[in-house]
Amino acid sequence: DAGVIQSPRHEVTEMGQEVTLRCKPISGHNSLFWYRQTMMRGLELLIYFNNNVPIDDSGMPEDRFSAKMPNASFSTLKIQPSEPRDSAVYFCASSRGGGLEQYFGPGTRLTVT
Amino acid sequence: AQKVTQAQTEISVVEKEDVTLDCVYETRDTTYYLFWYKQPPSGELVFLIRRNSFDEQNEISGRYSWNFQKSTSSFNFTITASQVVDSAVYFCALSHNFNKFYFGSGTKLNVKP
Repeated sequence: DAGVIQSPRHEVTEMGQEVTLRCKPISGHNSLFWYRQTMMRGLELLIYFNNNVPIDDSGMPEDRFSAKMPNASFSTLKIQPSEPRDSAVYFCASSRGGGLEQYFGPGTRLTVT
Repeated sequence: AQKVTQAQTEISVVEKEDVTLDCVYETRDTTYYLFWYKQPPSGELVFLIRRNSFDEQNEISGRYSWNFQKSTSSFNFTITASQVVDSAVYFCALSHNFNKFYFGSGTKLNVKP
């Protein structure tokens, strides 16, 4: 079975540009999570969905960040406009829910210049 | 409050040494789940183990073993006869039925040949 798929793997963009990160969870998993990892702040949960519904977005830094999950097999995280401080590795993870383990995608390394 | 503390920021050992990574958690819930993840230099996060709060049995998987002690709120991870390939950042995490994970700050393990 395929793991969590993220695209792109690397993204370099200029400040002010819109960035869209994509995630395909493992088939059959009903929970999806977006994380951000930086040296300074470690691994931060941004938002998570259960059955395509956002449950907790308290980790989303500000209004420039938005996430959607239009169906069970696809989610996006959008940053508009991007800023240099958004540079990080963004991970998507999925699970079957109910306290079960999360499986992580390979991450998207975002660099905003 | 839910919290996971990994007090060891970085550990260096020589190959074949045994090493224990500490994890201390805080929670008021009686039902919870504990996890360990490995993040090798390549960057992906790899699930290692999940334990629930009702199962205090220690677990062994090859050179890896885990010691869960509710009395001290600890879930420690021991690598026996460490190898260079064990070099990674290891994260401990806590979860409940609501899916949200609370990650520790991670312990970087350096295994030198």
